Amino acid sequence: EAGVTQFPSHSVIEKGQTVTLRCDPISGHDNLYWYRRVMGKEIKFLLHFVKESKQDESGMPNNRFLAERTGGTYSTLKVQPAELEDSGVYFCASSQEGGYTFGSGTRLTVV
Amino acid sequence: GDSVTQMEGPVTLSEEAFLTINCTYTATGYPSLFWYVQYPGEGLQLLLKATKADDKGSNKGFEATYRKETTSFHLEKGSVQVSDSAVYFCALMIQGAQKLVFGQGTRLTINP
Repeated sequence: EAGVTQFPSHSVIEKGQTVTLRCDPISGHDNLYWYRRVMGKEIKFLLHFVKESKQDESGMPNNRFLAERTGGTYSTLKVQPAELEDSGVYFCASSQEGGYTFGSGTRLTVV
Repeated sequence: GDSVTQMEGPVTLSEEAFLTINCTYTATGYPSLFWYVQYPGEGLQLLLKATKADDKGSNKGFEATYRKETTSFHLEKGSVQVSDSAVYFCALMIQGAQKLVFGQGTRLTINP
């Protein structure tokens, strides 16, 4: 079974630009999560999709972040406009009836 | 709110040394506890877990025991290898919830 795929693996953008991160979950997994780790700190929850619906978006930091999961398959996380403090590693995970499977993450650097 | 505190890193040990990475938690409910590991260039992988008090999780020679009285879940290994070099994250999940709460991670380096 293919794992959770994230791309790009790395992205360097300038402050004020827009970046879109993509996550392909394991096929058939209804639950999809976004997390991020900023500046070597703890990994923090951003949001949780069940199929195409946002179950919990309590961790989204502000309205510059927009997550979508059209059709309940892959998900995108858009940051617009990016700020310096958005730099970090963004992890996606999926689950069905059991534990999480995480992707390798996207390292975002805003300069 | 719910939180996890790990020992500060980085931790550097010699091969075959004994490893302990401390983890304590604060939780409003009855959490399940986890240790995740991130090897260089890879994603987070579940290392072990425990779902109730006094449970011991174990995998690849690592162990951790769920201690409710001390709200701890310390990770131990009797003899570390160079291949254990990675970042280790302690985490909890409250029963009935689906989101993980992580500690800040501990970078472990094992020298030959």
